[in-house]
Parts: sequence; structure tokens; C-alpha cells
Amino acid sequence: RKEVEQDPGPFNVPEGATVAFNCTYSNSASQSFFWYRQDCRKEPKLLMSVYSSGNEDGRFTAQLNRASQYISLLIRDSKLSDSATYLCVVTEKGGSYIPTFGRGTSLIVHP
Amino acid sequence: DVKVTQSSRYLVKRTGEKVFLECVQDMDHENMFWYRQDPGLGLRLIYFSYDVKMKEKGDIPEGYSVSREKKERFSLILESASTNQTSMYLCASSFPAAGTGELFFGEGSRLTVL
Repeated sequence: RKEVEQDPGPFNVPEGATVAFNCTYSNSASQSFFWYRQDCRKEPKLLMSVYSSGNEDGRFTAQLNRASQYISLLIRDSKLSDSATYLCVVTEKGGSYIPTFGRGTSLIVHP
Repeated sequence: DVKVTQSSRYLVKRTGEKVFLECVQDMDHENMFWYRQDPGLGLRLIYFSYDVKMKEKGDIPEGYSVSREKKERFSLILESASTNQTSMYLCASSFPAAGTGELFFGEGSRLTVL
């Protein structure tokens, strides 16, 4: 199976900090890219899709670099409520559109 | 709101028991998935289905089977539970059929096999 790799962390940052996560994927034919957020003992939920042109949603910015096969997520002005695990998800192009999850990056924002 | 409902949040079973995990979605999604999630291993795909009565193996199908008799329902079956199947099981669904859409997850079923 194609790989999706993330630094597991944890990233331990103070409130107000800027933090960036990277994710690399091995299949150059991958088609769709997402960041999900998972709170402790909860199910994953979509945070944002990732487009080649980059996209921003408030304090969150996602970027895709197809040439280097990596995706990034930048969180500005971190809040305590941002503490969670962030999952990188890549969907392959081909006969079966199967989402593949990275193992997640843990973020802890402290006062 | 899209809702994916898993029948049991917590189950405790004994080794060798047959276990059924039920998942129902109410948004007419074609795609349904079963994952298990373990610490340090992330989400691993067990089985998925793109249509009624259709099923395909994921990365770790051994010891599991599935059933999709109706579009809204996707069941995961452990024919003979073993202790290494103690895990969190997550069901998800998505639309459209191309698979590029958002995945919606149920709240998970935490299974303990003694």
C-alpha cells in the first residue's frame, strides 16, 4: 500500500505560537488531499481540503507541493482548543479511490 | 447533518465469540468503510464497499468479514474474536462514488476481547 508519512510529534507549543505540520506521500498519482482533526477519544472530522494553489481558512493554511509530494498545514495564533491530532489523508487516483491516512501528528497547545 | 451511527460504543467479548459491529448512514452515500485505529498505528482500512452487495478488502482484512445488504448499512463481522482484535473500530461513509469527497465518521466502537 502507498505510504503517507507524518511526524507523530507531539508538538508542544504555547498559545499564540505558529506551528507547521508536514506530510509526505509516496504515490505520485494521488489525486485528493485533506487534513482531518481528531480530538481525544473522538472520531476524525474534516478540517480542510488541500488544493494545489493553497488554501486558507482563518488561522489555518494548507499547501500542496506535487513536485516534492508533500502537504503542509500551518496554524497561526494557536489556541488551547487547537490541541488535537491532525491526520493527513491522501486519495489515490485509479480504479479504487481509497483514502489513506497518515498516523497523525499530535499538537498540544499550553497556556 | 450527515449522520453515521455505530450500534455499540463499547463492547466486551470473549475469545472465540462472533462479533457484529453495525454501521448505518443516513445520507445515501455509496461509499462505506471500516477502519481500526490503534495507538501508534493510525487508521488502517479493513474493508470497504462502493455499492450494495459489493465489498473489497483493505489493508488488514484477515479475521474480518463484512456485509452490505442495504445501501445505508455496512456491517463488520469478527467470526471468532481474538485478543489482538481489541481496538477502536471506526465506520465512515462518503459521496460521490469517485471517492474524492469528505469522509464522515461514526463515533467509533471500542471493542475489548478478553
